[in-house]
Amino acid sequence: DIVMTQTPLSSPVTLGQPASISCRSSQSLVHSDGNTYLSWLQQRPGQPPRLLIYKISNRYSGVPDRFSGSGAGTDFTLKISRVEAEDVGVYYCMQATQFPWTFGQGTKVEIK
Amino acid sequence: EVQLVQSGAEVKKSGESLRISCKASGYSFTNYWISWVRQMPGKGLEWMGRIDPSDSSTNYSPSFQGHVTISADKSISTAYLQWSSLKASDTAMYYCARLLRGGWGQGTLVTVSS
Repeated sequence: DIVMTQTPLSSPVTLGQPASISCRSSQSLVHSDGNTYLSWLQQRPGQPPRLLIYKISNRYSGVPDRFSGSGAGTDFTLKISRVEAEDVGVYYCMQATQFPWTFGQGTKVEIK
Repeated sequence: EVQLVQSGAEVKKSGESLRISCKASGYSFTNYWISWVRQMPGKGLEWMGRIDPSDSSTNYSPSFQGHVTISADKSISTAYLQWSSLKASDTAMYYCARLLRGGWGQGTLVTVSS
């Protein structure tokens, strides 16, 4: 199985300041079709998760442009340019390149 | 608007069987895979498996293979997750989702007592 490792596991941030989450996979996420199936999800407290970013850097419909994804191969990053109160929650990376699909452990973003 | 509406919370006893459902609307059901994801209390997300509703082909995580069955009925745009013999350790929130394309159900809380 591909292991997804996120850092940090907790990220206290000041409102209006940037935040960054790293995700590293145990093997390359480049699929044989040429795509890299790395997604980022957000889970606000008490809510189901929702898709933020797919295929490394594509924002899902309705996701604010303060969220951005980057990376390649085995190293990926989610950035929030200016954290807002509604961004509090747990963020997960997920790979769908190889079965079984796997998630990172989650990174808790909270306001200082 | 894509909607995935799951069946309600369940309280069961160890050894009992259970099937929960996920009804899709707002898109062509057969065009997108549906996955099931487990979240145990206070824990992270675990991918259980997925189904292609167009042909009912499935893939399972080895962690869940043989313990659950994923199915779909394309005539009513509904996916299912079922257990033939529940364990107390199955107590969790279960989500259906179009993981690659966005869209999650609201979750079904399954509580299993021993």
